[in-house]
Amino acid sequence: IAGITQAPTSQILAAGRRMTLRCTQDMRHNAMYWYRQDLGLGLRLIHYSNTAGTTGKGEVPDGYSVSRANTDDFPLTLASAVPSQTSVYFCASSDTPTDTQYFGPGTRLTVL
Amino acid sequence: GQNIDQPTEMTATEGAIVQINCTYQTSGFNGLFWYQQHAGEAPTFLSYNVLDGLEEKGRFSSFLSRSKGYSYLLLKELQMKDSASYLCAVRDQDYQLIWGAGTKLIIKP
Repeated sequence: IAGITQAPTSQILAAGRRMTLRCTQDMRHNAMYWYRQDLGLGLRLIHYSNTAGTTGKGEVPDGYSVSRANTDDFPLTLASAVPSQTSVYFCASSDTPTDTQYFGPGTRLTVL
Repeated sequence: GQNIDQPTEMTATEGAIVQINCTYQTSGFNGLFWYQQHAGEAPTFLSYNVLDGLEEKGRFSSFLSRSKGYSYLLLKELQMKDSASYLCAVRDQDYQLIWGAGTKLIIKP
């Protein structure tokens, strides 16, 4: 593993289903982030974690949850997917909350 | 509210120079970032400005004026591989990044 990995690369999901997007980094960064990117809009922060064991809500947290049990992993869960959650999801990390963020390759999610 | 404005799309010619502008209104300011994003890929870090002035890095330069809430990214000697979206982001008083919608740059031969 080098940098940040995300899985799956893409997914088509039926509305109402539960889905977890995975994010793993091997840079030992303290801070991690989940964004969604929609056409015509800037990246929007869903949730973040400044250090293992802590999480916070971003701009658009409704319908999503996260956990940070260790430094490397930061999964994002959609408890009951809705079509408005169709988007590209990017995980990012930074050494500290004030450092430059580096992005994973993204997960393209379609909710039907 | 917080707002980042940048042009939706720009076109330039290979070998030329292009300037991509970004204006911002945010709750506090703790730095401005430029990222490059090729279609279907992740954003990658280009530059960071926290003080007024010009930061040069090879063919790319970034300028900041905090009093005007304004930045630009200058790309010189354009190459076809520079065709991408360029994202402006401002770190606000809470150290969260506020992102612009991005400028799609099209390079023509």
